[in-house]
Parts: sequence; structure tokens; C-alpha cells
Amino acid sequence: KNQVEQSPQSLIILEGKNCTLQCNYTVSPFSNLRWYKQDTGRGPVSLTIMTFSENTKSNGRYTATLDADTKQSSLHITASQLSDSASYICVVSGTGFQKLVFGTGTRLLVSP
Amino acid sequence: NAGVTQTPKFQVLKTGQSMTLQCAQDMNHEYMSWYRQDPGMGLRLIHYSVGAGITDQGEVPNGYNVSRSTTEDFPLRLLSAAPSQTSVYFCASIIQQGARGELFFGEGSRLTVL
Repeated sequence: KNQVEQSPQSLIILEGKNCTLQCNYTVSPFSNLRWYKQDTGRGPVSLTIMTFSENTKSNGRYTATLDADTKQSSLHITASQLSDSASYICVVSGTGFQKLVFGTGTRLLVSP
Repeated sequence: NAGVTQTPKFQVLKTGQSMTLQCAQDMNHEYMSWYRQDPGMGLRLIHYSVGAGITDQGEVPNGYNVSRSTTEDFPLRLLSAAPSQTSVYFCASIIQQGARGELFFGEGSRLTVL
């Protein structure tokens, strides 16, 4: 069964600290992997998209990595800010946009 | 650029009532879709459309109906609301650019069925 598992479920860090969120998937065939940020009460917003041949992608203080061999991805947040408090969702795509498999997300709280 | 616009943002229904969630996008995207988001679960696809006049079922289509008469609009109809349909609904659109097309989401519609 195609699945995307994220860890941890929730995380609290101090402002200014770094953190890493994990995503493991069993989706096959694999097309791309996406990370989204979802603020409370808002829709998800894209952070990065990586295809099979890409193993790292950055978007400001967000850096995503992909290991297609082990089917793992991580999202690293550098120098966290209060505005980083949100849910981060890992999404893996098979063939076609109707084949997106969503993880349940990691809830991040950045504390002052 | 408004992006993807959903209305209403909040709605309370009684069991058996019907309603339509509206979704409009102004980016000329071919692909549009509806998801529901429930606690402890990833977003699940309800229905999708690859262009005007073309719709298909997703993972959880029962109790929902869609149509796509124009490129811009993709309404989701609840025919006879049930408490199990209490959820947050998201509309999304994408321009098909192979594997790298970016998916744009609306702000969500929170539905409570009593």
C-alpha cells in the first residue's frame, strides 16, 4: 500500500534553533516528493518539489533532501523563527496528480 | 492575482441538508481537485478534473458530486450531508508541467454537519 509516514508528529523548539523533520515513503512508482507548510486555518503552501534525480533543494531557510534508494526525505529548518510554527506536510507523487499521497504532517511550534 | 478562492470559509449543516462548496481559480489551470482533511489523516482526494467537461473520482467520492463547466470553476456538491462529512475541504489547482507542476491550494472550507 502506498504510504507516507512523517516523524515526529509534533516538535517544540526554541526560536533560533535548527530542526529536521523526517519523511519515509513506500509510494511506487515514484515521480516526485513535495514539502508543504500549512499555517493554522490556512491552506498548504509549497516549499520544495524534488524529482528522482534531485537529492537536495533549498528555499530560503528550508532545505529538503531526498534519498530515493532508501525512500527517505528530510526537511531541515535553519535558524527557526516564530513564523515557522505550522504543520509541515510531505507529499509523494506517483504517476499523475491524482496519485498524490499525503503524510499526516509534523506539527512544529517555535517558542520564544 | 487571487489564486484559488474557496467559499464559504465556514458552514454548519444539519444531517440531510445539501450544499455546494465553491472553488474558483484565475490562473487558467487545467487540473483542479477537491480534498478533505481530517484529524490524524493526510489529505484525501475526493474528485478531480483534468479540464472543462472532464471529472473523475478520487479516493473518497461517496456523497459528493462535482461538475466542471468552465476552466475557472469547480464546485463540490454535498447531496445529503452526514456527520461523517464534517471536515475541512480544500480545493487545489495545477497547471500540468510534467512532474514538477506546483499545486496551489485554497484557504479551505470548514464544514460541520450536526
